[in-house]
Amino acid sequence: DAGVTQSPTHLIKTRGQQVTLRCSPKSGHDTVSWYQQALGQGPQFIFQYYEEEERQRGNFPDRFSGHQFPNYSSELNVNALLLGDSALYLCASSRLASDTQYFGPGTRLTVL
Amino acid sequence: AQTVTQSQPEMSVQEAETVTLSCTYDTSESDYYLFWYKQPPSRQMILVIRQEAYKQQNATENRFSVNFQKAAKSFSLKISDSQLGDAAMYFCAYRYYGGSQGNLIFGKGTKLSVKP
Repeated sequence: DAGVTQSPTHLIKTRGQQVTLRCSPKSGHDTVSWYQQALGQGPQFIFQYYEEEERQRGNFPDRFSGHQFPNYSSELNVNALLLGDSALYLCASSRLASDTQYFGPGTRLTVL
Repeated sequence: AQTVTQSQPEMSVQEAETVTLSCTYDTSESDYYLFWYKQPPSRQMILVIRQEAYKQQNATENRFSVNFQKAAKSFSLKISDSQLGDAAMYFCAYRYYGGSQGNLIFGKGTKLSVKP
């Protein structure tokens, strides 16, 4: 039973560029949540997707957008990258009715 | 707004000893979940233990147990017989039980070192 997978593992971009991160949920899960974890901090909630719609959003600007596909996989897009967007981006999946989120290994984004 | 506070940035324990990590939270809700996640240097966030607020009995998972004090809004993690593999960042997290609020709220973490 495959767990949550994310790609790529590492990514280096320059200011102003755009980036897309990908996540495949754990088998049987239909909800995907994205978190940003700055160095030395706990993860911060970005948004959550269910049935291909954004159900809930944290305090992040519109430069952060996402998508969920019919197979429940998800993408996180960040436009006009800033140095402060450098962080570990974590994807978590769950069954909507379930309380427990399972995390992927994360994507380390570095913005130069 | 709900908040989670971990007041110990770093902790250290001798192998085979017991250590307790502290967590307090603030919420006006009565139904919620609390979690402890472990994040080793590999970065993957791993669920350690979960507690439902409506349950008075403290959760236990092998060497890991919690002390849940709902009135005090306290949720500490006890690790017994500590092992070298327990060395990691530990995050306490809160999630509201109902409605569409599916997001986890995390503390800043406690770095646990295990000495051989």
